[in-house]
Amino acid sequence: GESVGLHLPTLSVQEGDNSIINCAYSNSASDYFIWYKQESGKGPQFIIDIRSNMDKRQGQRVTVLLNKTVKHLSLQIAATQPGDSAVYFCAENRASGTYKYIFGTGTRLKVLA
Amino acid sequence: GAGVSQSPRYKVAKRGQDVALRCDPISGHVSLFWYQQALGQGPEFLTYFQNEAQLDKSGLPSDRFFAERPEGSVSTLKIQRTQQEDSAVYLCASSFKNTEAFFGQGTRLTVV
Repeated sequence: GESVGLHLPTLSVQEGDNSIINCAYSNSASDYFIWYKQESGKGPQFIIDIRSNMDKRQGQRVTVLLNKTVKHLSLQIAATQPGDSAVYFCAENRASGTYKYIFGTGTRLKVLA
Repeated sequence: GAGVSQSPRYKVAKRGQDVALRCDPISGHVSLFWYQQALGQGPEFLTYFQNEAQLDKSGLPSDRFFAERPEGSVSTLKIQRTQQEDSAVYLCASSFKNTEAFFGQGTRLTVV
């Protein structure tokens, strides 16, 4: 069925290195995507979003890339810090009818000192 | 308030008990969502409100689950005759029309 999924369930990176978290989606009708960060015991926290009319968007230390041809989304974190350790979810908004987000399983990012 | 507020943070219910979970969205946010998150999983959509209208309840797992938002602000998710499989974190989120959704801290429900 249609779903939003992630390739890597756990990603370990050295502090200071760049991190790349990937996500695949299957519904070409989706037109809005969000990356969320979730720390233990907390709700998902908005990081960055991108609409389907864009292929790249940059924030502070984060960049989201969207490849509509292969239905792929990635989150790049520059100079990863210990505070970046969390589970990261991509969420897809399916524009037909209700405005709701479909989440993937998530990728756990571990930052090694 | 500054963010989405949910209460209680933790709830332990005996099997068969009814529970009510409250969500205070960000002031002025039109859209309100409820999600269920099992341990180690991503949030699963339950229901969506636009103001006081419940436009989508396709994710509610059974007729024991009921949500309301009578005045278009505060929302309550009610679970009747709780069962062990209802144990999860229940997340509420709100957004202003078609923009990013902001989540609350969630209510962790444990059914014993």
